This record gives sequence, C-alpha cells and structure tokens, in this order.
Amino acid sequence: DIQMTQSPSSLSASVGDRVTISCRASQSISSSLHWYQQKPGKAPKLLIYAASSLQSGVPSRFSGSGSGTDFTLTISSLQPEDFAIYYCQQSYSTPTFGPGTKVDIK
Amino acid sequence: EVQLVESGGGLVQPGGSLRLSCAASGFTLSNYWMTWVRQAPGKGLEWVANIKQDGSEKYYVDSVKGRFTISRDNAKNSLYLQINSLRAEDTAVYYCTSQYCSSTSCYTDAFDMWGQGTMVTVSS
Repeated sequence: DIQMTQSPSSLSASVGDRVTISCRASQSISSSLHWYQQKPGKAPKLLIYAASSLQSGVPSRFSGSGSGTDFTLTISSLQPEDFAIYYCQQSYSTPTFGPGTKVDIK
Repeated sequence: EVQLVESGGGLVQPGGSLRLSCAASGFTLSNYWMTWVRQAPGKGLEWVANIKQDGSEKYYVDSVKGRFTISRDNAKNSLYLQINSLRAEDTAVYYCTSQYCSSTSCYTDAFDMWGQGTMVTVSS
C-alpha cells in the first residue's frame, strides 16, 4: 500500500494568514492526489482533485500543487470557516488517506 | 436536493453482523462508482470498499476482505455494506460516497458527495 504523510499534524493560524499543508506519498502517484476538508461532526468535503484542480464551488483561496511524491495545499488568506482538519488522499492505487492536519485558531 | 443517507448502524457484539444501507436522492446512483469510507472515533479516514456502476467490479481494503460485502441496487438507488464477523477495530462512522465527475472527466477514487455517516460500535 502507498503510505501518505502530512505535515504539520496541526497548526495555529490567524484569520488572513497564508497557510500551507504538505502531503507526501511513499512512492510516486503522479497527480492522483485529492484534498478534503472536514469539520467536527461532519462528512469530509472535496476541495481539490487531481492535485491542483479546484472542485466546483470551492473558494479560490484554496489551491493545490505538486506531482510525484510531494504535494501542497495552500489557503491564501485563512477565513473563520476554514478552521478544520485537512486530509490528502491518493488514488493511484488502493486509496489511502493522510493522517490529517488540524488547522485551529491562534 | 442531492443527498446520500446512510442507515443501519448500531451497537453489535464482537462476531456479529450488520447491514448498512445508503439511499441516494436527487441523482442517479447507477451513474457512479460508489465507495464506503470509515472513520474510527477521533481518528482519520479509511477507504473500505468500492463498487462499479453495474456491480461487476468490487474492491476491498485488506482488513475487511472476506468479512465485508459491498453491493448495490440501482433500481432502488441504493448502496449496501454487509459487515460480518465484526471486531472492535471495526468501530467507526461509516460514510457512503460517490465518485467525483467534472465537466470533462470522472475520477473513480475522488469522493464528491458524502452521506452524514452511520455509527457502528462493536462492543460486548
């Protein structure tokens, strides 16, 4: 199985901050990488698919980049509704998720 | 309104069985690969199983092979997960989810619509 790691595991940030979350795959996965946002008690929400494509309806402050083994989710200006846990997920082989990055209020 | 609604979770003893259901409304389930994803309390997400539009292909995570069976009834716009020989480590919220389709492509294992989840607790 392909293992996914994320860093940091948590971060504290303020509204308006630029936030970057990293995701690394244990082997090359091309661009088969997706990002989700999950708020407490809610189902995950797809934000970015195929590494860099923005899901319809997702604010443009979210962006994704990377290919191969290293990927990044960037929130250009953090908003109050963005405090959540973010997961990356590979679909190159049997799907696996990263352990998540919790973004909370500084 | 487009939605997925899971049901069938509950408290079950180790070794027991449950059948989870996922009813789709507002869209045609038969057009999509469907997937079950679970989340243990306070933990991350784990892909469990998926099934092709016509049911001809099914895949499972190793830890549930031989114990879980995914199925679908497109006429009823519904997805199912039969879970047998339950273990404590199967305790989780189980979500059904559909593949994502953009205007140009579909992605089997990118998960777009999600249900609210149904809780399965395995305990004596």
